[in-house]
Amino acid sequence: ETGVTQTPRHLVMGMTNKKSLKCEQHLGHNAMYWYKQSAKKPLELMFVYSLEERVENNSVPSRFSPECPNSSHLFLHLHTLQPEDSALYLCASSPDGYNEQFFGPGTRLTVL
Amino acid sequence: EDQVTQSPEALRLQEGESSSLNCSYTVSGLRGLFWYRQDPGKGPEFLFTLYSAGEEKEKERLKATLTKKESFLHITAPKPEDSATYLCAVQDPYNTDKLIFGTGTRLQVFP
Repeated sequence: ETGVTQTPRHLVMGMTNKKSLKCEQHLGHNAMYWYKQSAKKPLELMFVYSLEERVENNSVPSRFSPECPNSSHLFLHLHTLQPEDSALYLCASSPDGYNEQFFGPGTRLTVL
Repeated sequence: EDQVTQSPEALRLQEGESSSLNCSYTVSGLRGLFWYRQDPGKGPEFLFTLYSAGEEKEKERLKATLTKKESFLHITAPKPEDSATYLCAVQDPYNTDKLIFGTGTRLQVFP
């Protein structure tokens, strides 16, 4: 595997379910990010991890819970989501948090 | 408030018809401006980084330029495979981890 990978690519869940999104980067980068992309809106930064420490939480509801066990892996735990949380969730990584970010293919999430 | 505005929202071109996409920004001290390409259902693909006014970068049929207020992505003799949404982003000057994105320009190139 190369670059940034995300699983699953598609997820349908009910409002009472608990699920997790997984991201893995194979680039040796030190910073990882979660973004939300909704139709007709700019990408919204959700969380930033640098060297496995959370450095940014962009006022995201607590029903989204990130986890970064090491510099290569990032998870987004989901519970009791709302239909308006349906979106494309993108993971990205960056060498050092100062330069360009490289994105994964995204997880298309649908909340019923 | 720091902002990024892209225009046009959508652009339809005939194959070979050159054009430019615009990204205007208002940030207090630009650190870096980034261009990405995004295909439907996929993540953004990094194209260019520009840091200072007057800088230019090229890749195949694409050329990105930067002034103190805006950036242009010039597409020369486009092909149908250049069809995608092109996103522009700037670094938050107070938090370089954070990119401020525009809403993108959706480009369609017809044969």
